[in-house]
Amino acid sequence: GNSVTQMEGPVTLSEEAFLTINCTYTATGYPSLFWYVQYPGEGLQLLLKATKADDKGSNKGFEATYRKETTSFHLEKGSVQVSDSAVYFCALRMDSSYKLIFGSGTRLLVRP
Amino acid sequence: DVKVTQSSRYLVKRTGEKVFLECVQDMDHENMFWYRQDPGLGLRLIYFSYDVKMKEKGDIPEGYSVSREKKERFSLILESASTNQTSMYLCASMWAGEVNTGELFFGEGSRLTVL
Repeated sequence: GNSVTQMEGPVTLSEEAFLTINCTYTATGYPSLFWYVQYPGEGLQLLLKATKADDKGSNKGFEATYRKETTSFHLEKGSVQVSDSAVYFCALRMDSSYKLIFGSGTRLLVRP
Repeated sequence: DVKVTQSSRYLVKRTGEKVFLECVQDMDHENMFWYRQDPGLGLRLIYFSYDVKMKEKGDIPEGYSVSREKKERFSLILESASTNQTSMYLCASMWAGEVNTGELFFGEGSRLTVL
């Protein structure tokens, strides 16, 4: 079936470090891909998305590129801040489906 | 701004009790969802509703039921709570016009502990 695999956390970085959180997917067709973020004590919110191969989603300094050849959608940020500490979820949705399939989440901790 | 409100942030219930989790959204979204969030498992879909009185089972519907009598309100019901239903429950809504690419708007979650 369709699924999402994320790197296990927690990921601990110092402020201004480069961030990569790996995400790969398995899908029978061509999904739309998403990154959601959950800050402490809050619900999830959409961070960025890409709807077709080679699309790049970006927001708040974060980027992710939809790579069909490697079935990946890795999240990157050039310089993280303490305020980026959160849990990040990669997700996919197949064509004509309302259902969003989530990965297990990766906790990021940024230290001053 | 879209607002999804879950009525209870924290609940403690006893095994066998009936539990209602309420969710209200204010953006006239057709679609509403209930997810369960557990460490290491991510979010798993329990039920979703695409219209008033319409519902479909998600991946883990066993032990749960739902009710959608009004467009803005979607309730999750645990008929007889069990300890393995201790979890964080997240409600979400989405506009039906963007089936493939649409954004889910989440509530802050309801943390349920069943003793």
